[in-house]
Amino acid sequence: KQEVTQIPAALSVPEGENLVLNCSFTDSAIYNLQWFRQDPGKGLTSLLLIQSSQREQTSGRLNASLDKSSGRSTLYIAASQPGDSATYLCAVLSYNTDKLIFGTGTRLQVFP
Amino acid sequence: NAGVTQTPKFQVLKTGQSMTLQCAQDMNHEYMSWYRQDPGMGLRLIHYSVGAGITDQGEVPNGYNVSRSTTEDFPLRLLSAAPSQTSVYFCASRYRTSNTGELFFGEGSRLTVL
Repeated sequence: KQEVTQIPAALSVPEGENLVLNCSFTDSAIYNLQWFRQDPGKGLTSLLLIQSSQREQTSGRLNASLDKSSGRSTLYIAASQPGDSATYLCAVLSYNTDKLIFGTGTRLQVFP
Repeated sequence: NAGVTQTPKFQVLKTGQSMTLQCAQDMNHEYMSWYRQDPGMGLRLIHYSVGAGITDQGEVPNGYNVSRSTTEDFPLRLLSAAPSQTSVYFCASRYRTSNTGELFFGEGSRLTVL
């Protein structure tokens, strides 16, 4: 059974810092991994999708990497801003299943 | 662009009442799913569908029914609401093929069962 873990559960940093959020999964047989952002009281917004054949994806100040063999992904946020404050979730889609399994998220606060 | 639309956004029920949460998408996605989100538990899959007429159970299906008569719609039914079903419910959809698996979410439906 696929299990997804995110560490840390919460993070508070000053504006301008570069951040790394971690996601680990137990079964490396995956189609893809997706990172989401969730603002309080809102739905989830997709940030980056990494296919199993890819090593990383970039969008603006965000960079996500994938190491299937070790069961890990990282989300790198460069030059953090207060507007980055949100909960970040990762989710994996395993082979032979249509179920996307989520981690419990990292709650990020960036203060001015 | 509408994307994934959920209704209602808020609902209060009494124990034993029934209701349906509606979900519609206009992206011609084959796959649709329902999640519930609870503090400390993350998002848990309730039911999902890979096309019209096909549904399957997720991690926490008990107490919920679904049907998929059209590609666009995937309603979630609570037959006899219980306080344990107090949660925020999200509908999500995507293309089914592995290369285009980005998942799109609705804004959520907050349900309180008294």
